[in-house]
Amino acid sequence: ELKVEQNPLFLSMQEGKNYTIYCNYSTTSDRLYWYRQDPGKSLESLFVLLSNGAVKQEGRLMASLDTKARLSTLHITAAVHDLSATYFCAVDNNNDMRFGAGTRLTVKP
Amino acid sequence: NAGVTQTPKFQVLKTGQSMTLQCAQDMNHNSMYWYRQDPGMGLRLIYYSASEGTTDKGEVPNGYNVSRLNKREFSLRLESAAPSQTSVYFCASRPWNGGYGYTFGSGTRLTVV
Repeated sequence: ELKVEQNPLFLSMQEGKNYTIYCNYSTTSDRLYWYRQDPGKSLESLFVLLSNGAVKQEGRLMASLDTKARLSTLHITAAVHDLSATYFCAVDNNNDMRFGAGTRLTVKP
Repeated sequence: NAGVTQTPKFQVLKTGQSMTLQCAQDMNHNSMYWYRQDPGMGLRLIYYSASEGTTDKGEVPNGYNVSRLNKREFSLRLESAAPSQTSVYFCASRPWNGGYGYTFGSGTRLTVV
């Protein structure tokens, strides 16, 4: 059975600092997704990573995928308060998608 | 351009009551999903419908039933609500080829007392 693990689960950052969120998964998959969720809101798609070595960047966020290591990272550069949210990774599992537990990110001034 | 529409947004039920959560998408997506979200557990799949006319169980199907009414609509029914079903429920859809992942509805916050 596919397991998806994220760490850390909670992350408190200072503005301007860099940090990385890790997503490990247990079985082979060719697609990995990152989503953002603001408190009380739905999930918003950030990135889709479709192959080994894929890298996507949007603003201060950069996601990468290593299918051999079954690992994806979400790197945050020079964090700003607006990035405070919960970030989920998810992996395709045949017909559906399995999610990590989420990383609650808080960016403090 | 509505995307995925869920109703209701909030609901309070008494233990043993029944209700149906409605979901409709207007993107011509083949696949539709119901997830529940509980603190610290991410999203867990309840049921899904890979295409019109088919439904399958996910990780946590007990206590729920679903109906894929047509290509647009996928409903989730709680026959006899229990406090353990207190959660936020999300409907999602995506194209047959996976596309760029799910489009989510806005969620239903359900409390069972």
